[in-house]
Amino acid sequence: DIVMTQSPESLTVSLGERATINCKSSQSVLYSSNNKNYLAWYQQKPGQPPKLLIFWASTRESGVPDRFSGSGSGTDFTLTISNLQAEDVAFYYCQQYFSTPYTFGQGTQLEIK
Amino acid sequence: QVQLQQWGAGLLKPSETLSLTCAVYGGSFSGYYWTWIRQPPGKGLEWIGEINHSGSTKYNPSLKNRATISVDTSKNQFSLKLTSVTAADTAVYYCARRIGQRHGHLEYWGQGNLVTVSS
Repeated sequence: DIVMTQSPESLTVSLGERATINCKSSQSVLYSSNNKNYLAWYQQKPGQPPKLLIFWASTRESGVPDRFSGSGSGTDFTLTISNLQAEDVAFYYCQQYFSTPYTFGQGTQLEIK
Repeated sequence: QVQLQQWGAGLLKPSETLSLTCAVYGGSFSGYYWTWIRQPPGKGLEWIGEINHSGSTKYNPSLKNRATISVDTSKNQFSLKLTSVTAADTAVYYCARRIGQRHGHLEYWGQGNLVTVSS
């Protein structure tokens, strides 16, 4: 199985500032034939299901504010949230879908300072 | 607007069989993969398995062949059965739609069902 490791486990950021969450996979999730990274980011608020934010490592889902951006390739990925808003308080998970069983990072809890 | 509505028994005794169903409203049922994921209380997400409209399935080996996912295309529904449950199977179970490529991300999620296993 591909192991996904997120850092940090929790993060406290001031309103209007930038939050950066890292995700590392135990093997590359870059598919060479199409040059796509099989990596997604999800946001989960208390009592709600996860919501897709980013797929193919850097493509923003429709309706997701452009404050959210994804980057990285191969084994190292980053979710950046710029101009942090109160509604961004949540858990964030990365997920690889390069091979089954698909696996998730352990999650990062984002709080407001 | 795609919506996934799920239901099933919320309290089970050890050794019983968990049974959940997810109905899909809006959008096409074929051409996608229909997935089950679970989340133990206060913990992270675990992929259980998936099925496509023609019944092709994949499962997480960690479940040791206890999971079965089936599909009813006439009702646009898919189901999960998990046998011989223990307290370790206590979790919120989600159904979700995955894009219809060989591998892909999860676009839409159901609201989740808390299933508690307790004697």
